[in-house]
Amino acid sequence: DGGITQSPKYLFRKEGQNVTLSCEQNLNHDAMYWYRQDPGQGLRLIYYSQIVNDFQKGDIAEGYSVSREKKESFPLTVTSAQKNPTAFYLCASSIGLAGEQFFGPGTRLTVL
Amino acid sequence: AQTVTQSQPEMSVQEAETVTLSCTYDTSESNYYLFWYKQPPSRQMILVIRQEAYKQQNATENRFSVNFQKAAKSFSLKISDSQLGDTAMYFCAFIPPLNAGGTSYGKLTFGQGTILTVHP
Repeated sequence: DGGITQSPKYLFRKEGQNVTLSCEQNLNHDAMYWYRQDPGQGLRLIYYSQIVNDFQKGDIAEGYSVSREKKESFPLTVTSAQKNPTAFYLCASSIGLAGEQFFGPGTRLTVL
Repeated sequence: AQTVTQSQPEMSVQEAETVTLSCTYDTSESNYYLFWYKQPPSRQMILVIRQEAYKQQNATENRFSVNFQKAAKSFSLKISDSQLGDTAMYFCAFIPPLNAGGTSYGKLTFGQGTILTVHP
């Protein structure tokens, strides 16, 4: 089955630690995205990537980093510089930018 | 910059009835795409329906249809014959066209969401 997977489903982090959230897709999509969702809120764009080895900052990139070494994978690192990282993180992909986006199941990150 | 506004934080409807969720947006673009996404309690985002701004005909997907008023920049979602499984948070979203360029290119802007509860 084609789709997007995110792991882990739940992640706990101590303050000062970096953590990496995984996102993998087998839809052969060129574009991938990371969003953050806070309780009762809409989604805010963190980073997006149009093609391999290229990515752009979204609206709230501070404290986050990404890489795009493979078409299928777009991991997100939440660094210790992110002051309020507790949130629900969603990964998405699309055939191209401005195309319909398909979402993964999300990762719930909690800072202890 | 694009903005998307959903003015109804919460809505409720009885099973089998019809409900309409409101969405307005602001853009200077003449062509763009609009979407409604559904996020049930599982938190999986699911595309419900999409509309291309250059198409005058309102999009329809089974029980879901939109009322797209381009001049008013309004994009409401109508759910007919509501079912318990329709209970979810619904997000309206906007994306500029491929040739938008600049800082808007590739950015899907979401509204704040409307929580819909379908009662038996």
